[in-house]
Amino acid sequence: KAGVTQTPRYLIKTRGQQVTLSCSPISGHRSVSWYQQTPGQGLQFLFEYFSETQRNKGNFPGRFSGRQFSNSRSEMNVSTLELGDSALYLCASSLAPGTDNEQFFGPGTRLTVL
Amino acid sequence: DQQVKQNSPSLSVQEGRISILNCDYTNSMFDYFLWYKKYPAEGPTFLISISSIKDKNEDGRFTVFLNKSAKHLSLHIVPSQPGDSAVYFCAASFFSGNTPLVFGKGTRLSVIA
Repeated sequence: KAGVTQTPRYLIKTRGQQVTLSCSPISGHRSVSWYQQTPGQGLQFLFEYFSETQRNKGNFPGRFSGRQFSNSRSEMNVSTLELGDSALYLCASSLAPGTDNEQFFGPGTRLTVL
Repeated sequence: DQQVKQNSPSLSVQEGRISILNCDYTNSMFDYFLWYKKYPAEGPTFLISISSIKDKNEDGRFTVFLNKSAKHLSLHIVPSQPGDSAVYFCAASFFSGNTPLVFGKGTRLSVIA
């Protein structure tokens, strides 16, 4: 069974640009969550989608947005990039929301903003 | 304000000995706790969890202890193996039906052969 895949794996952008990251969950998983990992802050929750609806949102500015498609694939978008957005962005999928359902993480997309 | 704290950024342990990783939390509303392990260039993988109604959960070499009054949990690995060398993240969630996890900053464990 294929795991969570994230594309691209690495990305370099400049300040002010926008970026779209993609996440394909494990087959059959309908819940997708996004996290940002930085050395100073650790992993921080961005948002969670289930059945194409945003279920939860973390404490991030409106420049961070996401969506989920009918096949459960998810994208996140960051507009007007800032240097501080440089981070590893991790996607996790689970069968459904709730801690009874184990979250499986993808390898992440390493975003560097110059 | 960090609600889940892992105060030791790194830990070195001899192979075969016990590794103890610690985690403190500030919000008493957390009711489910998890440990994840992360190797470089890979996403975190789930290791073990514990509900707030328990004070201990064991899975093979891994045991998690929860002390609610102290708002403290710890992960014990016995015996430690070189393959356990990784970054360990403690995580917590509010209410068992809620997915978003609040993570600590991680502890890098090095098991020396």
